[in-house]
Amino acid sequence: AQSVTQPDIHITVSEGASLELRCNYSYGATPYLFWYVQSPGQGLQLLLKYFSGDTLVQGIKGFEAEFKRSQSSFNLRKPSVHWSDAAEYFCAVGAADTGRRALTFGSGTRLQVQP
Amino acid sequence: DGGITQSPKYLFRKEGQNVTLSCEQNLNHDAMYWYRQDPGQGLRLIYYSQIVNDFQKGDIAEGYSVSREKKESFPLTVTSAQKNPTAFYLCASSSGASGNTIYFGEGSWLTVV
Repeated sequence: AQSVTQPDIHITVSEGASLELRCNYSYGATPYLFWYVQSPGQGLQLLLKYFSGDTLVQGIKGFEAEFKRSQSSFNLRKPSVHWSDAAEYFCAVGAADTGRRALTFGSGTRLQVQP
Repeated sequence: DGGITQSPKYLFRKEGQNVTLSCEQNLNHDAMYWYRQDPGQGLRLIYYSQIVNDFQKGDIAEGYSVSREKKESFPLTVTSAQKNPTAFYLCASSSGASGNTIYFGEGSWLTVV
């Protein structure tokens, strides 16, 4: 079964600083990988996804993520954080070779942005 | 507008009562999902359905039930057997093809009083 680890529960960065949120997955084959963002009390919005091909994927709101198979990682990055980026971020993995289409989520990283 | 509608947004339940959370989608998606979210634990899969009249248990199905009589609807019933039902519940859907993006509703808060 697949699993996802987000090692950082809470991260604080200053506005304008760069950001990297870590995500490690466990899955035997090539996974489908996703990053979602959630504002308090709301549903999840897709930031970006990796299915195949170029390992550096671009998403909405200036975010990007890089798939590194050798490290089983899919870290999310943004060069300059805005105050509106404060939210909770979830990494998720999907299985390509099973009948289960649902995603497995990490426990999330809460991002706080200081002025 | 296309999307996923969950209702009610807030629900209070007395112990021993069953409650049903509604989820409707007009995205013409084949697959639908229910997740539970607790602080610090991310999202956990309760049930999912890949086609009408069929559904599968997820990781934490005990104390919950679902039905999928129509493509656009996937209601979740939280039964009295669920020992700790207070949580945020998220419904989602996807086209069903492997790896396709899952889209989420706005969620429902359930509180047991």
